[in-house]
Amino acid sequence: NAGVTQTPKFQVLKTGQSMTLQCAQDMNHEYMSWYRQDPGMGLRLIHYSVGAGITDQGEVPNGYNVSRSTTEDFPLRLLSAAPSQTSVYFCASSYSGAAEAFFGQGTRLTVV
Amino acid sequence: GQQLNQSPQSMFIQEGEDVSMNCTSSSIFNTWLWYKQDPGEGPVLLIALYKAGELTSNGRLTAQFGITRKDSFLNISASIPSDVGIYFCAGPYSGGGADGLTFGKGTHLIIQP
Repeated sequence: NAGVTQTPKFQVLKTGQSMTLQCAQDMNHEYMSWYRQDPGMGLRLIHYSVGAGITDQGEVPNGYNVSRSTTEDFPLRLLSAAPSQTSVYFCASSYSGAAEAFFGQGTRLTVV
Repeated sequence: GQQLNQSPQSMFIQEGEDVSMNCTSSSIFNTWLWYKQDPGEGPVLLIALYKAGELTSNGRLTAQFGITRKDSFLNISASIPSDVGIYFCAGPYSGGGADGLTFGKGTHLIIQP
């Protein structure tokens, strides 16, 4: 009964480094999405996917890449980390975009 | 994406009190969702609303989809210590429902002993 699993839970990067945040869901949901949460800002949509092979940009996509090769996985890539990307990142999945989304426990990323 | 205004930003209440918070949108929504987030955790869905005027309860929580379709309300009756957390309203990012969600900035609920 895993639901949405995110790894790692914590990460510290140096400016300019790259990394991939992993997200996997076992509910066979077509829709997956990534959000970032900053103090006082709520959650903001980065990228989303309506199914394998299909992705699109959300509100704050710059500096992030995504791909969706399988229904289960939706990784988020930071190609060249910047201090402005210090945040808590949440992955979510749902059976439709505006339906009840299930969230992972988050990845706390610090870029120094 | 849509703009959601959530109020109040924070609430300091006594255990046992009732709580009311609301959320307004700059445009019409066809879905309203209410989430709660505990420290260090992801948001958890409390109530989903799909129809204007709809009133839905989940235990001590009651939420309403405003008839204008631009607002929603969440009430918590007889608050208890585990109600502490951040409450978010959310709706479709672009209104069409085919993508992700847009969130309000949250209401921090703090219960004083």
